[in-house]
Amino acid sequence: GEDVEQSLFLSVREGDSSVINCTYTDSSSTYLYWYKQEPGAGLQLLTYIFSNMDMKQDQRLTVLLNKKDKHLSLRIADTQTGDSAIYFCAEKGYALNFGKGTSLLVTP
Amino acid sequence: DVKVTQSSRYLVKRTGEKVFLECVQDMDHENMFWYRQDPGLGLRLIYFSYDVKMKEKGDIPEGYSVSREKKERFSLILESASTNQTSMYLCASSLIRDNQPQHFGDGTRLSIL
Repeated sequence: GEDVEQSLFLSVREGDSSVINCTYTDSSSTYLYWYKQEPGAGLQLLTYIFSNMDMKQDQRLTVLLNKKDKHLSLRIADTQTGDSAIYFCAEKGYALNFGKGTSLLVTP
Repeated sequence: DVKVTQSSRYLVKRTGEKVFLECVQDMDHENMFWYRQDPGLGLRLIYFSYDVKMKEKGDIPEGYSVSREKKERFSLILESASTNQTSMYLCASSLIRDNQPQHFGDGTRLSIL
């Protein structure tokens, strides 16, 4: 099948904002998800957005959805070293169709 | 809180062995999934199940089988392990309703020697 696309790496300084971008494939996807994976661990659900929304905010996290361009982004405000992890976007198919993940490195 | 428990964090087996990976969830979820995660390839779906004794092939089912005898338990079986099955294996579960996200276990890092 087609791939969900993400950039592989992002490096930011502590305190800055991080923006992780994703392009998904299925315009009929009803839900789109962001997961976080810390080293040696499984995937932790961060947030999700329903396709009839264009923005969702949850504390330091802001999700933006552009359905026309099939573009999803995750903004992390005031990024901390504990935010260093791999971030996956996923679209809902018969299971979940994941991107390959973006490794976020936060430097002091 | 949803708990998905995978029986082993690390496992080392030999080529040709039959290997069982176990996953248990405690939230009465209908759906359960097995993925493998490899560097540069992301997560790939091996098998999933939407009910007891039901199973569906994912994107890469070759060399694997599954068993769902009870709702809370989903087993992944490597019939004859090979070195190219060395990977991180992730189990997930979810409710069957459309908007319900998947919840993941911590993963099993399997090495086949």
